[in-house]
Amino acid sequence: AQSVDQPDAHVTLSEGASLELRCSYSYSAAPYLFWYVQYPGQSLQFLLKYITGDTVVKGTKGFEAEFRKSNSSFNLKKSPAHWSDSAKYFCALEGPNSNNRIFFGDGTQLVVKP
Amino acid sequence: AQTIHQWPVAEIKAVGSPLSLGCTIKGKSSPNLYWYWQATGGTLQQLFYSITVGQVESVVQLNLSASRPKDDQFILSTEKLLLSHSGFYLCAWSQQSNSDYTFGSGTRLLVI
Repeated sequence: AQSVDQPDAHVTLSEGASLELRCSYSYSAAPYLFWYVQYPGQSLQFLLKYITGDTVVKGTKGFEAEFRKSNSSFNLKKSPAHWSDSAKYFCALEGPNSNNRIFFGDGTQLVVKP
Repeated sequence: AQTIHQWPVAEIKAVGSPLSLGCTIKGKSSPNLYWYWQATGGTLQQLFYSITVGQVESVVQLNLSASRPKDDQFILSTEKLLLSHSGFYLCAWSQQSNSDYTFGSGTRLLVI
């Protein structure tokens, strides 16, 4: 069965620090992995995705993520963090055989203090 | 450029009343379409998806139904709202499997 785990419901850090939001997944085959961001009161915006190839993918707003097959993770990173990065971040998985189902993690609420 | 439009922006409805939410995608033919529901501050639950006109697949049963009457239109509805239907409804489209999703601005629903 497919699943996505974001173990940190809340992350708080100071502006200028490095941020890393954790995401692990469970899937029997090679997954497609995504990160989305939701700013307060808004819809979701796409940040980046891993389909195949280079395990470090770069996205919008200065974010990047590393796919690690060895520990089934796809952590989101950015350095330095800015107060405007405060938002909720969702990791998502779609499998090649998942029949158009995409599985979202529960999200991580990030607060960056100025 | 493709655009996705959801309507209405917000609704306050009584328990037991009907509901219809709409989503239109312009500038893209034959998109994959999706409905998601998000409880306040919560996770996202995929409700329905459609890969072609007239065909809709249900992912979870929440006393809701969906239809795709046109290639660019996706409708979410119910005849009788429940309190548990309150939340944020998001429509999204993608070009194909493994493509990123583009989400609409959403509809906030409060059932009282």
